Amino acid sequence: DTGVSQDPRHKITKRGQNVTFRCDPISEHNRLYWYRQTLGQGPEFLTYFQNEAQLEKSRLLSDRFSAERPKGSFSTLEIQRTEQGDSAMYLCASSRGQLLNTEAFFGQGTRLTVV
Amino acid sequence: SQQGEEDPQALSIQEGENATMNCSYKTSINNLQWYRQNSGRGLVHLILIRSNEREKHSGRLRVTLDTSKKSSSLLITASRAADTASYFCATDTGTASKLTFGTGTRLQVTL
Repeated sequence: DTGVSQDPRHKITKRGQNVTFRCDPISEHNRLYWYRQTLGQGPEFLTYFQNEAQLEKSRLLSDRFSAERPKGSFSTLEIQRTEQGDSAMYLCASSRGQLLNTEAFFGQGTRLTVV
Repeated sequence: SQQGEEDPQALSIQEGENATMNCSYKTSINNLQWYRQNSGRGLVHLILIRSNEREKHSGRLRVTLDTSKKSSSLLITASRAADTASYFCATDTGTASKLTFGTGTRLQVTL
C-alpha cells in the first residue's frame, strides 16, 4: 500500500497523559499536513510541513501540541497533558508540492479518546 | 476555523435520484476541491476545479464554480447506496499552502 498511513488507528488515554501519533506520507510527497476533526465537523487545519520545515501552525495548536518531521519523511504529532477536549480524529495528509493544481491524500486517521 | 459552509447539512435521497450539495466560501481561491468521507474514515479526493473554470465533470460527478458568488455545487447523478458519505468542499484560501474545509453535507442514499 503506497498511501498515507497513520498509527495508531485508535488511542484511548487518561486525562493528563501524553500521546504521540505517527504519519507516514506518500514517499515522493514533500508536503505533510495535520488536521483535527470532531464529530459532525469538517477537518480543521493544525499545521503543515514542507520537507522538514514546519511552515505554518494554527492557533488551534496550543503549547501542549508539538509536531515534527525529521528528515522530511514521517511526522509525529505529540499532545502533552491531554484534556478531554482533545478527543477527536487526527488526520494526516500529504501532497506533491503546493495545493495549486493538486489534491491532498489523506490517511485513515487516528481517533483519540481522552477519558 | 471553517472557510466554507455546505448546504444542506444533511440530505436523504433514494437510489437513482440526483444529489446536489452547495458550498460557499469567504476568500479568494486558486482552486476548490471536493472530498468524500465514509463514516470514521479518511477523506478521499473527488474533483478539483480551478478558479478560472466554471464547470467540470468526472464520471457521475459534476462540479460548478461561481467565483463572483464565492460558491460551488456538487451534483452526483444516479446516486447509489455506496455514495452514502459526508461530502466536504475545501479551498486553498489563495495561498495554495493548505486546504480549509467546510462543514460538510451528510448524504444518505437509501434503496
